[in-house]
Amino acid sequence: SQQGEEDPQALSIQEGENATMNCSYKTSINNLQWYRQNSGRGLVHLILIRSNEREKHSGRLRVTLDTSKKSSSLLITASRAADTASYFCATESGGSNYKLTFGKGTLLTVNP
Amino acid sequence: EAQVTQNPRYLITVTGKKLTVTCSQNMNHEYMSWYRQDPGLGLRQIYYSMNVEVTDKGDVPEGYKVSRKEKRNFPLILESPSPNQTSLYFCASSFLPGLVPRTYNEQFFGPGTRLTVL
Repeated sequence: SQQGEEDPQALSIQEGENATMNCSYKTSINNLQWYRQNSGRGLVHLILIRSNEREKHSGRLRVTLDTSKKSSSLLITASRAADTASYFCATESGGSNYKLTFGKGTLLTVNP
Repeated sequence: EAQVTQNPRYLITVTGKKLTVTCSQNMNHEYMSWYRQDPGLGLRQIYYSMNVEVTDKGDVPEGYKVSRKEKRNFPLILESPSPNQTSLYFCASSFLPGLVPRTYNEQFFGPGTRLTVL
């Protein structure tokens, strides 16, 4: 079952611009996480935001969470060509199995 | 170096020939999971394990088996592979939040195994 849905599916920007990706989900969550995947490789954890947090920063990353709208956004500032990757949100909805449910991802292309 | 390893990285096989994809982690994680990634479908969980000898089905378990005899290893077994199991497979591990306070289930992923079943 798909919990998170990223928007847009694909995003192309120039180096130095900011990139914003959105994630919507359907049920209440304990936390929401963002991952990055370079083409065909394993996912790498970027940042986690808990359900009682509204905003979190890590380097050039800024994540917001609006539980009333069941949505999150990931902002990458001053993008670089090396940021080109797919970005996934994943939600953990509680329960005893700590399952993460992943969205289908946003493909970000940063042009030099 | 903390890591999750998978072997093989690439595999081409034929329908019905049993195969095992190994997964090992060196971070003492309790939780391990297998996913498959298919175009347009994203990542879907196949099986997961919360500790040794504790495994359970994910969203797409049909045609797969797993075992967890040791904490570090979580092999994925395809007893009789079929072409619809052609996919990119990932193993992942994390701490179990319920056991250690103030830890969350950020998952560490292996590099992936690209499986083709002819």
